[in-house]
Amino acid sequence: QVQLVESGGGVVQPGRSLRLSCAASGFTFSSYAMHWVRQAPGKGLEWVAVISYDGSNKYYADSVKGRFTISRDNSKNTLYLQMNSLRAEDTAVYYCARGPHATGTTYGDAFDIWGQGTMVTVSS
Amino acid sequence: SYELTQPPSVSVSPGQTARITCSGDALPKQYAYWYQQKPGQAPVLVIYKDSERPSGIPERFSGSSSGTTVTLTISGVQAEDEADYYCQSADSSGTVVFGGGTKLTVL
Repeated sequence: QVQLVESGGGVVQPGRSLRLSCAASGFTFSSYAMHWVRQAPGKGLEWVAVISYDGSNKYYADSVKGRFTISRDNSKNTLYLQMNSLRAEDTAVYYCARGPHATGTTYGDAFDIWGQGTMVTVSS
Repeated sequence: SYELTQPPSVSVSPGQTARITCSGDALPKQYAYWYQQKPGQAPVLVIYKDSERPSGIPERFSGSSSGTTVTLTISGVQAEDEADYYCQSADSSGTVVFGGGTKLTVL
């Protein structure tokens, strides 16, 4: 079945780095844009970054620009989020989510499939 | 920065109709999407392109749009519909934006 599974979360000190992974299965990963979305404890959803189906285009929220890098390995069906210079305010559950197909999709720009999330805690 | 505004909470009794609004200046030009999130779970898409319903989503969920406001309507609310609901759209440059979320309480 169509599935996204995040990993790599944990507890990290401020200023350090962490890399998240999102393993995709059940669909043609290389044909879809992919997003990272985060949710701080007790708070709402915040979009973090998007990468095009082939990795040629990447966009970031202002809150993470210059510190986070989104990437993908289509040969491994895996999405990544490299997080550097982490701050306490980056503490959140991080979700990967599927975006639109490269040739357009019924769902428009919706996030139609989500992973279960991985928790990142930035604390000394 | 662009914002989508939702009421923090909505309460309804079982069987009644719940309406959750989402307001934003770019909504006349950008589609809106709605997600349901239950505690400890990932969000689930319930409405796309303002008013379309994905397969598997009950017919009691519907969406509409009027000017700068989109509305998620849940007709005949059931206890299992108690959750947080988020609207999502984009600003004029295409940057993704989420509303602050609405907690639906079924009394």
